[in-house]
Amino acid sequence: TQLLEQSPQFLSIQEGENLTVYCNSSSVFSSLQWYRQEPGEGPVLLVTVVTGGEVKKLKRLTFQFGDARKDSSLHITAAQPGDTGLYLCAGVRGNNRLAFGKGNQVVVIP
Amino acid sequence: NAGVTQTPKFQVLKTGQSMTLQCAQDMNHNSMYWYRQDPGMGLRLIYYSASEGTTDKGEVPNGYNVSRLNKREFSLRLESAAPSQTSVYFCASSRMGTGAGDTQYFGPGTRLTVL
Repeated sequence: TQLLEQSPQFLSIQEGENLTVYCNSSSVFSSLQWYRQEPGEGPVLLVTVVTGGEVKKLKRLTFQFGDARKDSSLHITAAQPGDTGLYLCAGVRGNNRLAFGKGNQVVVIP
Repeated sequence: NAGVTQTPKFQVLKTGQSMTLQCAQDMNHNSMYWYRQDPGMGLRLIYYSASEGTTDKGEVPNGYNVSRLNKREFSLRLESAAPSQTSVYFCASSRMGTGAGDTQYFGPGTRLTVL
């Protein structure tokens, strides 16, 4: 059973366009993390959101945690080819265990 | 400061063979984790070690054993490999395992094929 559902699974856009991907769950998490993974490498943490309704910005990336702490979104403004990658959301459980979604594969075409 | 290192990078096994995947971190982290990543399945936790001397099962522990050799090293053993264990294996570490949403730092992965 996948605790976290990410949509869309695959997204291809032109450079300069905006995009939003989603991470949804029926479970409540104490916090949620977003990672980015590039081919042949391990995931790298982008952000941790803790409070319901929280919005965090990382340059052109905006992360939002739902009010009920069950869902999250990632919005990229003016996407660039360097944003290409697999974006993974992960719910944080006891002992810092992470429950990952399957990921959003984003391809930005120059 | 190498972060999290994993050996080997690639491995091909025959069904029934055994092997140990090695992981080491040089960040003085307390907690370490083993995940597998399969197409269409995402990352799934196999085992974790919240602190030196302790290990616990994750979501998919069957067919695996682990050893927290010391604070730096956490190994994953496949006693009798099966084709279903073909996957990319990632080791990760974090400063503390208290459920506080601490950053997990991942190694580069081991790509294992079981024929």
